[in-house]
Amino acid sequence: EIVLTQSPTTMAASPGEKVTITCRASSSVSYMHWYQQKPGASPKPWIYDTSKLASGVPNRFSGSGSGTSYSLTISSMETEDTATYYCQQWSSNSPITFGSGTKLEIK
Amino acid sequence: QIQLVQSGPELKKPGESVKISCKASGYTFTDYAMHWVKQAPGKGLKWMGWINTYTGKPTYADDFKGRFVFSLEASASTANLQISNLKNEDTATYFCARNNYNWFAYWGQGTLVTVSS
Repeated sequence: EIVLTQSPTTMAASPGEKVTITCRASSSVSYMHWYQQKPGASPKPWIYDTSKLASGVPNRFSGSGSGTSYSLTISSMETEDTATYYCQQWSSNSPITFGSGTKLEIK
Repeated sequence: QIQLVQSGPELKKPGESVKISCKASGYTFTDYAMHWVKQAPGKGLKWMGWINTYTGKPTYADDFKGRFVFSLEASASTANLQISNLKNEDTATYFCARNNYNWFAYWGQGTLVTVSS
């Protein structure tokens, strides 16, 4: 099983601040996907295939990475970005796994 | 538009069984697998497995072999999750999710199962 380790676990950012969330895989994966989840709601697809924004996602978000290291970046934090973000991988010969989540709050 | 609508919350006692449904609409049900994801209170997402909606064949993640059963009512575009011999640690929100290639593009609203004596 490929273990995904997210960092940080929690963080707070000021409006306008740049935010980077990291997801490290225990083995190399071809793509990483990200979800945003707000309390009481189901996860929403946010970034797929490492760097493609899902429908409706603001372009202040971006994704990058390869191999075992991936990241989600917000160029300028906004209040509405407060949520928990999860990374996810699905590689052949490995079960689907999620990272443990990064809780992002506004300062 | 594509929707996955799940059944309502359940309150069960330890040892009982529960069946959760996920009704799909807006696409051809048998064209895409259906996955199940568990989220315990205050915890992260855990993939439970998936069911091939064309053949009906289920695949379970290691932690969900034994008491968990995925099934279909294909004529009703519905996938089901049944959990038997419920334990306190089964208390969680269960999501169905449809994949696009290797990511989850559509999610149900979640079904909260509470196990308490």
